[in-house]
Amino acid sequence: GESVGLHLPTLSVQEGDNSIINCAYSNSASDYFIWYKQESGKGPQFIIDIRSNMDKRQGQRVTVLLNKTVKHLSLQIAATQPGDSAVYFCAEKASSYKLIFGSGTRLLVRP
Amino acid sequence: EAGVAQSPRYKIIEKRQSVAFWCNPISGHATLYWYQQILGQGPKLLIQFQNNGVVDDSQLPKDRFSAERLKGVDSTLKIQPAKLEDSAVYLCASSLRTRGETQYFGPGTRLLVL
Repeated sequence: GESVGLHLPTLSVQEGDNSIINCAYSNSASDYFIWYKQESGKGPQFIIDIRSNMDKRQGQRVTVLLNKTVKHLSLQIAATQPGDSAVYFCAEKASSYKLIFGSGTRLLVRP
Repeated sequence: EAGVAQSPRYKIIEKRQSVAFWCNPISGHATLYWYQQILGQGPKLLIQFQNNGVVDDSQLPKDRFSAERLKGVDSTLKIQPAKLEDSAVYLCASSLRTRGETQYFGPGTRLLVL
């Protein structure tokens, strides 16, 4: 469904710790998922993607996990840095071309 | 490689006025998207072009919003007349092909309607 309100869920972590951002998606037919990072005043920036035939994919300092049974996606950031502070969106795509974005999670990194 | 370019970056208008936004996608990207992002929410697709044809405009308020991509490259999005609830960031994105491809976003145009 549509996200509402101005109050994004916020995750606060200590610099150097690992971060885990979670996302519940809505469509069991979705076959492609993306994580985007959006810094203040900027457009969303691609982080990592995963297809439904995989359950894990790793990038540089980031890992995406997909659990299709419970329609859950997570983004793990290793050794979180101040530059990781941003809003993170997951997006899903079903058999059509359209990307559906989640409501976002704000990550705050404490020095 | 140059990214998606958008202009203007900021615009303030009064309600019932008109406004236009411009987007230049990444070179070679056939698919172009316009999204509306209201504060605190994820982007919502308004319209998608494949080259110069419209693939999906089901979420575009066609009584006031229009968009074109005449030569299959640059695109403009227009609002006429604007309403207070149109205050948002308008994001342009492009992708190499239509399905399952990563979309790359521009910096957006922040619109405030007074």
